[in-house]
Amino acid sequence: QQQVKQSPQSLIVQKGGISIINCAYENTAFDYFPWYQQFPGKGPALLIAIRPDVSEKKEGRFTISFNKSAKQFSLHIMDSQPGDSATYFCAASIGTGNQFYFGTGTSLTVIP
Amino acid sequence: GAVVSQHPSRVICKSGTSVKIECRSLDFQATTMFWYRQFPKKSLMLMATSNEGSKATYEQGVEKDKFLINHASLTLSTLTVTSAHPEDSSFYICSASKYGSGANVLTFGAGSRLTVL
Repeated sequence: QQQVKQSPQSLIVQKGGISIINCAYENTAFDYFPWYQQFPGKGPALLIAIRPDVSEKKEGRFTISFNKSAKQFSLHIMDSQPGDSATYFCAASIGTGNQFYFGTGTSLTVIP
Repeated sequence: GAVVSQHPSRVICKSGTSVKIECRSLDFQATTMFWYRQFPKKSLMLMATSNEGSKATYEQGVEKDKFLINHASLTLSTLTVTSAHPEDSSFYICSASKYGSGANVLTFGAGSRLTVL
């Protein structure tokens, strides 16, 4: 059973456009939601993370929007660049617990 | 910061041999490390959770005798693929958790590409 559902599976965006990746979860005990960026042949790297006590977190061109009532969160990449082309994973965990649940990943391609 | 080093990044071996992959937390102590397997263009598949000083907890369907995990210290976990076969060829990634900002933050190694001939 997939604890965190991610969409779309792949995404193609023009340079300068906005990339949006969505995730949904069921377990209301989740209270930490990170996003990871993975380039081919490399391990995932933490991009940005949010806790459910805020509805939005912004770091540079990357923003997480969090909707607690809908149990959804999304990653927005503003002014998308070819260098953003990578696979993005959302995840969820519970407090100090060690179990992380990952989405299935979104392959983003930014066209020059 | 939190840095996780994984070695080797690439390894090619003959069928029937064993391969060891090391995962080190360089600047923090990690009581828990995780091992993942990733197929091309696929998500991360958790193989096992490794706790320092105790036996690893394997996910369903993962052969513990095939994938030996040892977490002998707070900074080192190893994955040994025993009697490797071509179907074991994959990208293996480790991660370590470090508590910070009210949650366990997961840091990944760079991954190890195993090719079994």
